[in-house]
Amino acid sequence: DGGITQSPKYLFRKEGQNVTLSCEQNLNHDAMYWYRQDPGQGLRLIYYSQIVNDFQKGDIAEGYSVSREKKESFPLTVTSAQKNPTAFYLCASSPGQHYGYTFGSGTRLTVV
Amino acid sequence: GQQVMQIPQYQHVQEGEDFTTYCNSSTTLSNIQWYKQRPGGHPVFLIQLVKSGEVKKQKRLTFQFGEAKKNSSLHITATQTTDVGTYFCAGLLTNSNSGYALNFGKGTSLLVTP
Repeated sequence: DGGITQSPKYLFRKEGQNVTLSCEQNLNHDAMYWYRQDPGQGLRLIYYSQIVNDFQKGDIAEGYSVSREKKESFPLTVTSAQKNPTAFYLCASSPGQHYGYTFGSGTRLTVV
Repeated sequence: GQQVMQIPQYQHVQEGEDFTTYCNSSTTLSNIQWYKQRPGGHPVFLIQLVKSGEVKKQKRLTFQFGEAKKNSSLHITATQTTDVGTYFCAGLLTNSNSGYALNFGKGTSLLVTP
C-alpha cells in the first residue's frame, strides 16, 4: 500500500541535542512538507520541497534544517537553536500545489 | 504569520444538531482545502474548492467557497458522534511567504454529545 511514514512516533531528547525526524513516502509525490502543530495553534509550515534537491523555508524555519536528496525522503533536523522544540511534527506529501496533502501519522517530540 | 483565520475555535453540539465552521483570509486564495483530524490522529484531506462561489457536498457535509475567494465554510447537517474531531481549512495564498505550500487555519474542534 502506498503511504507516507514518519518515525519514530515518540521521541525524547535532552535540551541542546540535535535530533532528526524521518519522513518517507512511496506515493511518487513530487512535493513534501513539514508542519509543526501546537495545541490551539493549528499547523505552521516549517519547510517544503517541490522537487528533489530544492527546498524553501516556511513561516517558522528558524532552528530547523532539511534535505531532499531523494524523491521519497524529506528528513527534518531540529537543532539546538530551536528555542521551543517540544511539539507534534507532521510530514505531508502531494503530487503538486493544487492537490490535497497526504499526511504521515506524526512524530511527537519532547525535549527535556 | 497565519493569514487564514477560522472560527469558532471550539463547538460543542448535541447529536443531531447542525454545525458550521467558517474560514476567512485577508488575501485572495487560489484554492481552499478542508481537512479533518480525529483526536490523536493526523489531518485527512476531505475536499478542495477552486472556483469562485463553488459548492460541493459529501453526504451530510456541505462546503462553500466565497465569491471573492477569500472565505469558505463547512456545514455538517445532523451531526453524529463520528463527526468528532478538528476541522481545518487551508488555503493556497496568491501572495505569501509560504509560496506553494498551504496556509492552515487554527482549526475548529467539534465535540458531539450523544
